[in-house]
Amino acid sequence: AQKITQTQPGMFVQEKEAVTLDCTYDTSDPSYGLFWYKQPSSGEMIFLIYQGSYDQQNATEGRYSLNFQKARKSANLVISASQLGDSAMYFCAMREGPQGAQKLVFGQGTRLTINP
Amino acid sequence: DSGVTQTPKHLITATGQRVTLRCSPRSGDLSVYWYQQSLDQGLQFLIQYYNGEERAKGNILERFSAQQFPDLHSELNLSSLELGDSALYFCASSAWTGVTDTQYFGPGTRLTVL
Repeated sequence: AQKITQTQPGMFVQEKEAVTLDCTYDTSDPSYGLFWYKQPSSGEMIFLIYQGSYDQQNATEGRYSLNFQKARKSANLVISASQLGDSAMYFCAMREGPQGAQKLVFGQGTRLTINP
Repeated sequence: DSGVTQTPKHLITATGQRVTLRCSPRSGDLSVYWYQQSLDQGLQFLIQYYNGEERAKGNILERFSAQQFPDLHSELNLSSLELGDSALYFCASSAWTGVTDTQYFGPGTRLTVL
């Protein structure tokens, strides 16, 4: 069963608009972490934002925020005021495993294209 | 720049050959992870080392092996290469901050098996 689901294979957004990238997850572990990474066409994986399962507030990092809805098991990434440089693949990931022996499980990704 | 380095950046080889991918973690990070990214499988976890010890294993093929050395750099060895091993191989490193242990990724090694 898919543990991380990203239902939007591709999204097209006008520059300066806000965009929401969807991510739902499946776990029975009460303690988990959720991450978003950006992969530009150059190929590197860039960490954007982290949300812990016990965090009371939604995480924010500059123009990135995470809309965390625990009961719905969703962790959507919101990018405000999109820029041309935001065009990339975006991956949602969940950390799983015991402390000290953990791995990231990734979704299939969403390709975001920002149009001028 | 994440601080994680990987060499080589590109590698082209033939089926049946053996290659070694190298990774240097961020300064101070004790954990090193290896991931494979392919078009059909997506991003898959291969293996994790912590301070020289293997800690977690994913769907790593028996033809693949890894190790972490005393200076904390890591190597991923791929042998008896097949066409399907062509992929982007990432190394990541992390350190526990007391809140989380975010994995920072290197630039990747793109392996092409002909």
